[in-house]
Amino acid sequence: DGGITQSPKYLFRKEGQNVTLSCEQNLNHDAMYWYRQDPGQGLRLIYYSQIVNDFQKGDIAEGYSVSREKKESFPLTVTSAQKNPTAFYLCASSVTGFSYNEQFFGPGTRLTVL
Amino acid sequence: AQTVTQSQPEMSVQEAETVTLSCTYDTSESDYYLFWYKQPPSRQMILVIRQEAYKQQNATENRFSVNFQKAAKSFSLKISDSQLGDAAMYFCAYFRDNNNDMRFGAGTRLTVKP
Repeated sequence: DGGITQSPKYLFRKEGQNVTLSCEQNLNHDAMYWYRQDPGQGLRLIYYSQIVNDFQKGDIAEGYSVSREKKESFPLTVTSAQKNPTAFYLCASSVTGFSYNEQFFGPGTRLTVL
Repeated sequence: AQTVTQSQPEMSVQEAETVTLSCTYDTSESDYYLFWYKQPPSRQMILVIRQEAYKQQNATENRFSVNFQKAAKSFSLKISDSQLGDAAMYFCAYFRDNNNDMRFGAGTRLTVKP
């Protein structure tokens, strides 16, 4: 079945450690996105990529990094520079970026910093 | 920056009744897209309905319809014949083509009472 997978579902990190969240899609979509979801704040855009080997910062990119070496994959690294990383992270993809096209979301990763 | 406001943090509806969720947005643009996404307890975001701003006709998808008032910058979601499976968080979203701008509201939690 086509879709988006995120792993792991739950992730625990010690302060000062970097951690990478996986996002893979087999929908042949060009565009991929990372969102952060906090209680009462909806979704906020971290990074997005509209084509392989290119990505752009969203509203809250500080303390995060991404790569887009393959069309199917858009991993997100939460670095030690991110001051408050505990949150729910959602990955999404769409046929093309920022258009009428539906964004398909993965099941999310809950990151907790201990 | 464009903002999206969902003024109802929580709503409840009796099964088989109709409920309307409110969404207002702020923009100086004339061409944009509006979406309603549903996030059930599984936290998988699902597209409910979408509207192109240049279209005057309100979008409809089975039991879901919108009341799009462009001049008032309002985009409410009406759910008819509510079902238990409609219980979820509902997010209103604004996308602006070509300037990579997307905004989500803070969400409305809908409870459906049997």
